[in-house]
Amino acid sequence: NAGVMQNPRHLVRRRGQEARLRCSPMKGHSHVYWYRQLPEEGLKFMVYLQKENIIDESGMPKERFSAEFPKEGPSILRIQQVVRGDSAAYFCASSPTDRNQPQHFGDGTRLSIL
Amino acid sequence: ELKVEQNPLFLSMQEGKNYTIYCNYSTTSDRLYWYRQDPGKSLESLFVLLSNGAVKQEGRLMASLDTKARLSTLHITAAVHDLSATYFCAVDPAGGATNKLIFGTGTLLAVQP
Repeated sequence: NAGVMQNPRHLVRRRGQEARLRCSPMKGHSHVYWYRQLPEEGLKFMVYLQKENIIDESGMPKERFSAEFPKEGPSILRIQQVVRGDSAAYFCASSPTDRNQPQHFGDGTRLSIL
Repeated sequence: ELKVEQNPLFLSMQEGKNYTIYCNYSTTSDRLYWYRQDPGKSLESLFVLLSNGAVKQEGRLMASLDTKARLSTLHITAAVHDLSATYFCAVDPAGGATNKLIFGTGTLLAVQP
């Protein structure tokens, strides 16, 4: 079984550009989560999605950030007009419907803003 | 707002020694998870603790949960170098409509030969 697949692994953007991060959940998982990890810190929840629905976006910055999980294709985390402070590792996780199962994490996308 | 605190933040220990990492959280929770992260890598699930008094063991690691004290521990027995990593606990707030996890600050474990 393939795990959670994220791409790209590394992404470099200049200030003002857009960043698109992709995540394909594990087979059989219908729940997707995005977390952000700043250097030497723990992960911070951003958003929780199911197919075509945003369930909880309480951790998402109010501006420039958006997420989607379409009926077909991967989940996308989109950051518009990136700034230096957006530099971080962005992790996607997925889980099955059973809440007693842990979330499984992808390898992350390391975003660097020049 | 739920807060999750781990201590110590950094732990240097010799091979063969025992030690415990503590995870305190500030509100009720019915699920607690432990993860391991190697440098530059993703998070690997270690334990899922679902009830008060739950204890789980895997190799040299043992995790426990006391929901009344809002405390989980990760005990390391006879440490070996391969256990060097950052360990995170994560809490799923009780009664929440979503499965979002609140992570602790992490404990960087360095096992010295």
